[in-house]
Amino acid sequence: GENVEQHPSTLSVQEGDSAVIKCTYSDSASNYFPWYKQELGKRPQLIIDIRSNVGEKKDQRIAVTLNKTAKHFSLHITETQPEDSAVYFCAAELPLGTDSWGKLQFGAGTQVVVTP
Amino acid sequence: EAQVTQNPRYLITVTGKKLTVTCSQNMNHEYMSWYRQDPGLGLRQIYYSMNVEVTDKGDVPEGYKVSRKEKRNFPLILESPSPNQTSLYFCASRRDTTYEQYFGPGTRLTVT
Repeated sequence: GENVEQHPSTLSVQEGDSAVIKCTYSDSASNYFPWYKQELGKRPQLIIDIRSNVGEKKDQRIAVTLNKTAKHFSLHITETQPEDSAVYFCAAELPLGTDSWGKLQFGAGTQVVVTP
Repeated sequence: EAQVTQNPRYLITVTGKKLTVTCSQNMNHEYMSWYRQDPGLGLRQIYYSMNVEVTDKGDVPEGYKVSRKEKRNFPLILESPSPNQTSLYFCASRRDTTYEQYFGPGTRLTVT
């Protein structure tokens, strides 16, 4: 199966600075990598995702990069704002035809705190 | 409104008393999953289902059962709850692999 490690576990940034969260995965066959944001007391919600045929994807202040050779992917948040404070989870998924298809393997999460 | 619903939202129970947490989605999604969330451990999958009558174990299935008799419903059953099953539980659904997964609001379970 797949194993996903996420770092750091906590991240404090000043408002306006950038934040970077990194994840590594174990199975080179994984082909889908979403990022979820969970605000305090709320459910996780998808903020961005990337497929293995793409190296980078951006959506306004957030971006995700994927390095298939090194088996790691990262979330970049620029110009951070207090509303970016939340727990962020990365995940990886193996494709159809493998033993674990249809199963998202999540990292342990990163608590991001943006201080004004 | 497209949504995943769970009931109850909060539950306090005693060891050994069978309970069921219901999950329903109105998006006609094929895939449904149950997760538990514990501090420092992230989201761990308990069971998932790829279609009606098709279910499979996730990472932490011990002590749990599920059923998928209808496409929209995916209940989680704890036959004999124990204190180590105290956790926050999320149901989720998605249209297919590599598509967005939608989470329910969560069920906070305490087993004393």
